[in-house]
Amino acid sequence: KAGVTQTPRYLIKTRGQQVTLSCSPISGHRSVSWYQQTPGQGLQFLFEYFSETQRNKGNFPGRFSGRQFSNSRSEMNVSTLELGDSALYLCASSLDGQNNSPLHFGNGTRLTVT
Amino acid sequence: AQSVTQPDIHITVSEGASLELRCNYSYGATPYLFWYVQSPGQGLQLLLKYFSGDTLVQGIKGFEAEFKRSQSSFNLRKPSVHWSDAAEYFCAVGSLTGGGNKLTFGTGTQLKVEL
Repeated sequence: KAGVTQTPRYLIKTRGQQVTLSCSPISGHRSVSWYQQTPGQGLQFLFEYFSETQRNKGNFPGRFSGRQFSNSRSEMNVSTLELGDSALYLCASSLDGQNNSPLHFGNGTRLTVT
Repeated sequence: AQSVTQPDIHITVSEGASLELRCNYSYGATPYLFWYVQSPGQGLQLLLKYFSGDTLVQGIKGFEAEFKRSQSSFNLRKPSVHWSDAAEYFCAVGSLTGGGNKLTFGTGTQLKVEL
């Protein structure tokens, strides 16, 4: 079974631009979560989607948004990019989004904002 | 609010030596606890998880962890470390707030293995 796939692996953007990251979960998984990883803040939860609905949201500004499609694939969008948005963005999927179905992570998208 | 503390930022051990990585959590109810490992340029891989029952949990790659409620700890152990274990290790606690799945991670412990 294929793992969680994130595209692209690397992105370089300029301040003020917007970016869209994509995540394909493991087949059959209905929950997709997004995390931001930076050296200073570590791993921080962005949001979680289940059956196309946002179920949980972390403490990030409204510039960070996401959505989930009917096939469980998810995208996250960051608008008006800031230098501090440079990070590794990790997507994770789980079977049903409950704590007894652990997260399976993709290899991430490395975003650099210049 | 839940939190996770990994007091050791870096740990160096010799290959073949035993390993213990510390994790303390703060959570108002019975926690769901996890250990993940991250190799450079990779995502996180689940090593083991604790939900309930036996407090000694076995995971992949020869790792185990022990849940101690009285100490609010969930330390990761391995009897004999291999050079390929060099990576960053994250402890995490799960939340049922608002339904669904949201993990709070510790800041990680970077493990270096000396040959």
